[in-house]
Amino acid sequence: TQLLEQSPQFLSIQEGENLTVYCNSSSVFSSLQWYRQEPGEGPVLLVTVVTGGEVKKLKRLTFQFGDARKDSSLHITAAQPGDTGLYLCAGAQEDTDKLIFGTGTRLQVFP
Amino acid sequence: KAGVTQTPRYLIKTRGQQVTLSCSPISGHRSVSWYQQTPGQGLQFLFEYFSETQRNKGNFPGRFSGRQFSNSRSEMNVSTLELGDSALYLCASARSASGGNEQFFGPGTRLTVL
Repeated sequence: TQLLEQSPQFLSIQEGENLTVYCNSSSVFSSLQWYRQEPGEGPVLLVTVVTGGEVKKLKRLTFQFGDARKDSSLHITAAQPGDTGLYLCAGAQEDTDKLIFGTGTRLQVFP
Repeated sequence: KAGVTQTPRYLIKTRGQQVTLSCSPISGHRSVSWYQQTPGQGLQFLFEYFSETQRNKGNFPGRFSGRQFSNSRSEMNVSTLELGDSALYLCASARSASGGNEQFFGPGTRLTVL
């Protein structure tokens, strides 16, 4: 059973476009992380959000944690080819403290 | 500071065999977690070790086992391999045992079962 659903599954856009990736669950998480994975490598942490309603900005990337700590979103402004990769959300379960990964969103940005 | 290293990087086995994968965490990190990544199921949590003790376990059969040594290095073993075990196995280390801690991933071991 996949506890964290990401949408869309695939995204193919032109350089300069904006996009939003969603990460949804019926479970509550004590914190939520976003990772990016490139081919042949392991995922690399982009951000951790802890407080419900929290918004964090990392240059052109904006991350939001839902008020109820069940969902999150990643918004990229003016996407660049270097943003291409697999984006994964990961939530730390409140009851078990396990880190559960989302289904992933594969982003391709064309020049 | 050296990153997480995994050996071997690639492995080809046949059904019924067993395999051992190795992970060396970042120096000073005491938590090591293992994940299985496949195109169909995504990244699935296998288990986490902290101070040589299994702290958490995912929903995998008993054929999947692991251990951690006193120097925090970890090994993962899969016995009686099945075709469906073909996957990228990722190891991640963290400073302490908490699901919310940043996980530092290695490049993975690509296992192919024929």
